Amino acid sequence: SYELTQPPSVSVSPGQTARITCSGDALPKKYAYWYHQKSGQAPVLVIYEDNKRPSGIPERFSGSSSGTMATLTISGAQVEDEGDYYCYSIGSIPNRVFGRGTRLTVL
Amino acid sequence: EVQLVESGGGLVQPGESLRLSCVGSGFIFSSYWMSWVRQAPGKGLEWVATIKRDGGEKIYVDSVKGRFTITRDNAKNSVFLQMNSLRAEDTAVYYCARDLVDDDAFDIWGQGTMVTVSS
Repeated sequence: SYELTQPPSVSVSPGQTARITCSGDALPKKYAYWYHQKSGQAPVLVIYEDNKRPSGIPERFSGSSSGTMATLTISGAQVEDEGDYYCYSIGSIPNRVFGRGTRLTVL
Repeated sequence: EVQLVESGGGLVQPGESLRLSCVGSGFIFSSYWMSWVRQAPGKGLEWVATIKRDGGEKIYVDSVKGRFTITRDNAKNSVFLQMNSLRAEDTAVYYCARDLVDDDAFDIWGQGTMVTVSS
């Protein structure tokens, strides 16, 4: 079955740039999406179609994709950005797949 | 305000059934594909099922095929997940989610409803 691979954890100091990667064989042909989930809350879409930002998502969130790797970048990470980040994409139709998640710590 | 509200979760024994409901508001419900996504305690997100706008097409993750059925009632702005032959590994928070227009991903999520399968 198709898998998306993320690092288990990323840690940065406030104001630094956080980068979270997601690798998958189908990413050259399929979009990547990113979700942010704070403890006890529902996920929130922060990036769609590799690099588009939904309305209401701060400009410090950006996305990129090259080859088999997609990257979520948080420029000037803030304490409220802590939580779990999941990448998501499509494997062989119709399977929809999430990565295992990356815990971002900002302290 | 765009909103999704789930209900129907609870504690059931292995082999039993449960029906989850999700009501949407603040948007034209019939214009969107709708999905269910679950999250086992302390674990990551797992897509479960998706239904087309008119209910004519449904897709499922392999682990629930033949046991779970997704349906919708556009007149009531509702989507449902009928879960039969429940197993301990189905224990999770179940989220209702709206699909992005013309896209195979989710933009709006409900707050979730907990399903516990245990004897």
